[in-house]
Amino acid sequence: GQQLNQSPQSMFIQEGEDVSMNCTSSSIFNTWLWYKQDPGEGPVLLIALYKAGELTSNGRLTAQFGITRKDSFLNISASIPSDVGIYFCAGSSPGANSKLTFGKGITLSVRP
Amino acid sequence: DAGVIQSPRHEVTEMGQEVTLRCKPISGHNSLFWYRQTMMRGLELLIYFNNNVPIDDSGMPEDRFSAKMPNASFSTLKIQPSEPRDSAVYFCASSWGPFTGRGEKLFFGSGTQLSVL
Repeated sequence: GQQLNQSPQSMFIQEGEDVSMNCTSSSIFNTWLWYKQDPGEGPVLLIALYKAGELTSNGRLTAQFGITRKDSFLNISASIPSDVGIYFCAGSSPGANSKLTFGKGITLSVRP
Repeated sequence: DAGVIQSPRHEVTEMGQEVTLRCKPISGHNSLFWYRQTMMRGLELLIYFNNNVPIDDSGMPEDRFSAKMPNASFSTLKIQPSEPRDSAVYFCASSWGPFTGRGEKLFFGSGTQLSVL
């Protein structure tokens, strides 16, 4: 089946730093989504991307739909302690029966 | 507005017992999804419904798992009999709009932490 690769599994940064995460796929996707999960809660949608090359921002977050359609990037600028959590990429490929696939997630820790 | 509501938040049971997880989707949403989250496998889609009809249950691990959606505002996921390997966080999510099956803009509940001893 389809797989999304996110690495590393964990990231540790200092408050105020920028951080970049990427997500790669073995197949072409036509939708890329980025979710954040806080401890004890369900994932919350951060950004949705629907077009190759698309660059979308949501506050301090910026995400891009890769030109190859096999990857996506999420950048967080000027990190703050509440950015702590697990960041998941998710995507779906073309096709009527395509389902959303989630990556394993990256756990972000922000040191004050 | 209330989000997706799941109950119970935590469930501890013994192997062999029946477990029922409940979900109330966001009012007006027409698609509902059940996911399971574990450290090893991440988020796995178990089953999804559109307009209360099960569309794809290929992710349901085995016959011990069953899901129903008797109306637009309620769904259940049942495990009978439960086994220790079923221990995980189970999420319900809902979405609206033209049905694609891709569930792009999913709204997740807070999950049910299931522990089977």
